[in-house]
Amino acid sequence: AQRVTQPEKLLSVFKGAPVELKCNYSYSGSPELFWYVQYSRQRLQLLLRHISRESIKGFTADLNKGETSFHLKKPFAQEEDSAMYYCALSGGSNYKLTFGKGTLLTVNP
Amino acid sequence: NAGVTQTPKFRVLKTGQSMTLLCAQDMNHEYMYWYRQDPGMGLRLIHYSVGEGTTAKGEVPDGYNVSRLKKQNFLLGLESAAPSQTSVYFCASSLSTSGRAYEQYFGPGTRLTVT
Repeated sequence: AQRVTQPEKLLSVFKGAPVELKCNYSYSGSPELFWYVQYSRQRLQLLLRHISRESIKGFTADLNKGETSFHLKKPFAQEEDSAMYYCALSGGSNYKLTFGKGTLLTVNP
Repeated sequence: NAGVTQTPKFRVLKTGQSMTLLCAQDMNHEYMYWYRQDPGMGLRLIHYSVGEGTTAKGEVPDGYNVSRLKKQNFLLGLESAAPSQTSVYFCASSLSTSGRAYEQYFGPGTRLTVT
């Protein structure tokens, strides 16, 4: 079975502060990990995936297989980063996504 | 391209009524999915389809049925709505290939209230 845990429902930081959204997963094989973001009243969209090893909007995430984690980080948060963030895992041959419960990030001015 | 569209955007049903949610995509994607989003629960997969004419159960399929008669459309049906089905429903689609998972593209959502 595959499982994704996002331990923080809510995270509040001030503009310019570093932010880290935690994601831990459980999967016996080689997973593919993603971060999706949902801005207020908008549809979910892909933020980044571990296989690309890219930085999007200043966010990065590194897959740590030893700790089974895929934490999302940004060194300097901006107000426009306020959104709901979902970590998701894909494993197996049918490429279904298992989502965490989400973390609502609020960046205060 | 419109991407993924959903019809309707909002709906209020009474307990026991039935309805169908329509999802359409114009990206020629093989895979399509239906999720429900509830506060504190994240997104949970209801049903999915890996191609025209095929469907499979997801994590929370009870009370829902689906059909994929055309590649571009994926319908979600509620035969007898219950208050527990009050939720926001999202449709998504993705490419299919062997060896890796592709990005899922989401629709704007349908907000359903069952009274």
